[in-house]
Amino acid sequence: DGGITQSPKYLFRKEGQNVTLSCEQNLNHDAMYWYRQDPGQGLRLIYYSQIVNDFQKGDIAEGYSVSREKKESFPLTVTSAQKNPTAFYLCASLGGHEQYFGPGTRLTVT
Amino acid sequence: AQKVTQAQTEISVVEKEDVTLDCVYETRDTTYYLFWYKQPPSGELVFLIRRNSFDEQNEISGRYSWNFQKSTSSFNFTITASQVVDSAVYFCALTRGWSGGYNKLIFGAGTRLAVHP
Repeated sequence: DGGITQSPKYLFRKEGQNVTLSCEQNLNHDAMYWYRQDPGQGLRLIYYSQIVNDFQKGDIAEGYSVSREKKESFPLTVTSAQKNPTAFYLCASLGGHEQYFGPGTRLTVT
Repeated sequence: AQKVTQAQTEISVVEKEDVTLDCVYETRDTTYYLFWYKQPPSGELVFLIRRNSFDEQNEISGRYSWNFQKSTSSFNFTITASQVVDSAVYFCALTRGWSGGYNKLIFGAGTRLAVHP
């Protein structure tokens, strides 16, 4: 089946550690996105990539990094510089004017 | 600047009641798209509808209907005869109508709908 996969679904880390969230898509979409969702809030854009080897900062990129070495993959690293990393992270890819979302990764940092 | 406002933070209804979720948007673009997504407890965003700025026809899909009014910059969502399975957080979102490199979705804060038996 075509779609977007994110792993793991739940992730726990100690403060000060970097952590990488996986996002893979087999929809052959060029553009991919990372969003962050906090309780009671909508989604905010962290990074996006229009094409392989290219990516741009979104609205809240500080403390995050990404890479786009393959069309199918757009991993997000939450660095120790991110002050409030505990959140729900959603990856999406763009087909036409519609973004398709993955199931999300819930990151908890203690 | 683009903005989406969902003034209703939480709505609670009893099964079979009709419920309307409000969405008001702001944009200076003449071409744009509006979306509704459903987020069940599992967390994944489920696409419900996309509407472009040139199509003001109301849309009905089963128990779901959408009312798009450019004059009031609103794109409201009505669930008729609500069911417990409709319980979720619903997001309204806006994006520019040109690709311009990427299509950034601007989300509202969401409305949490609880449907009780």
